[in-house]
Amino acid sequence: GENVEQHPSTLSVQEGDSAVIKCTYSDSASNYFPWYKQELGKGPQLIIDIRSNVGEKKDQRIAVTLNKTAKHFSLHITETQPEDSAVYFCAPKNTNAGKSTFGDGTTLTVKP
Amino acid sequence: EAGVAQSPRYKIIEKRQSVAFWCNPISGHATLYWYQQILGQGPKLLIQFQNNGVVDDSQLPKDRFSAERLKGVDSTLKIQPAKLEDSAVYLCASSPRTSGNTDTQYFGPGTRLTVL
Repeated sequence: GENVEQHPSTLSVQEGDSAVIKCTYSDSASNYFPWYKQELGKGPQLIIDIRSNVGEKKDQRIAVTLNKTAKHFSLHITETQPEDSAVYFCAPKNTNAGKSTFGDGTTLTVKP
Repeated sequence: EAGVAQSPRYKIIEKRQSVAFWCNPISGHATLYWYQQILGQGPKLLIQFQNNGVVDDSQLPKDRFSAERLKGVDSTLKIQPAKLEDSAVYLCASSPRTSGNTDTQYFGPGTRLTVL
């Protein structure tokens, strides 16, 4: 099955700084690359995703970059705010096989 | 649009007892997933339904776990008998489609199960 690794497992930044989380996957057939945010006591929520035919996608302070050759994609958050504090999961997927594999998460803490 | 509903939100049982969780997906979503999330880990897929048929249950411990999705709408997940290692959050998610370019999953709030 797919092997997914996230780094770092924990990340602490000062408010206003940038944060980058990297996700490495093993299945070269993966073609859909989402990032989910999970706040305490809630289910994960999609914050941004990218497809294999695109190298980068941006949505306000959040961006995702994809390197299919190296089999990794990254979440970039700029101008971090305390409300960005949460656990972030990547979940690469081969849409033809229909199954997502989640990483073990990155706990982001933004200090005011 | 109403989100994915799950109940109960919390459940405490003793080992060897049975427990059931309920999920009502977003209206019109054909695909329904059950995940197990152990503290400090990512969600692990237990079972995936397409309408009322099972697409993937390869990681479901079938000796104690069962799930059904009658009429292709809401779903129940049952554990019988429960073990200590079943303590986790059980997440339900739904998607509007299973093939194509995207498959965004919409998650419910989860049920936190504690087995004593």
